[in-house]
Amino acid sequence: QKEVEQDPGPLSVPEGAIVSLNCTYSNSAFQYFMWYRQYSRKGPELLMYTYSSGNKEDGRFTAQVDKSSKYISLFIRDSQPSDSATYLCAMSKTGFQKLVFGTGTRLLVSP
Amino acid sequence: ETGVTQSPTHLIKTRGQQVTLRCSSQSGHNTVSWYQQALGQGPQFIFQYYREEENGRGNFPPRFSGLQFPNYSSELNVNALELDDSALYLCASSAETDIQYFGAGTRLSVL
Repeated sequence: QKEVEQDPGPLSVPEGAIVSLNCTYSNSAFQYFMWYRQYSRKGPELLMYTYSSGNKEDGRFTAQVDKSSKYISLFIRDSQPSDSATYLCAMSKTGFQKLVFGTGTRLLVSP
Repeated sequence: ETGVTQSPTHLIKTRGQQVTLRCSSQSGHNTVSWYQQALGQGPQFIFQYYREEENGRGNFPPRFSGLQFPNYSSELNVNALELDDSALYLCASSAETDIQYFGAGTRLSVL
């Protein structure tokens, strides 16, 4: 069993929809939770990070962490075609280093 | 762009050969991490270098080795290439333990 599980998709939604992306994990030692966006032929780009449990909002993006359920989510409001990319969750025990990534979910937002 | 540059962008090798991948870190960054991203998978942590010393290693065999130079650029060397080594190799740099910034990667194909 992988430490971090993520549905690979693809997830197809119309422009303007609310998107929900999720990951589950098994290692309770994870304290830092991140969401990366990866466009085709590019490296991952950090979108948001959260320490421990709770919510964090940044514009159209909201990250949630539920450590009791070992479940993290990323919500995208008013999705745009430019949001079409692969979204990777990542976690670590000690900070932004030595990350453990999920498989990534491919998101397609159609105009 | 992140300021992390990797070379070459693409590489084709045959099984059993050796390969060297290069990474130039962002200005001011002294920590470099390498990740392997197989097709349809999330990145997997290979190892990290901090001030020219290896500072942590993932579950990769010794034929994966690295170097970091005084200017904090880095190399990833892979000996005795196997077909399963075909992947996108990502370099990420950071200042100390701060947020990592990824390069666009080197795509290695082993035939």
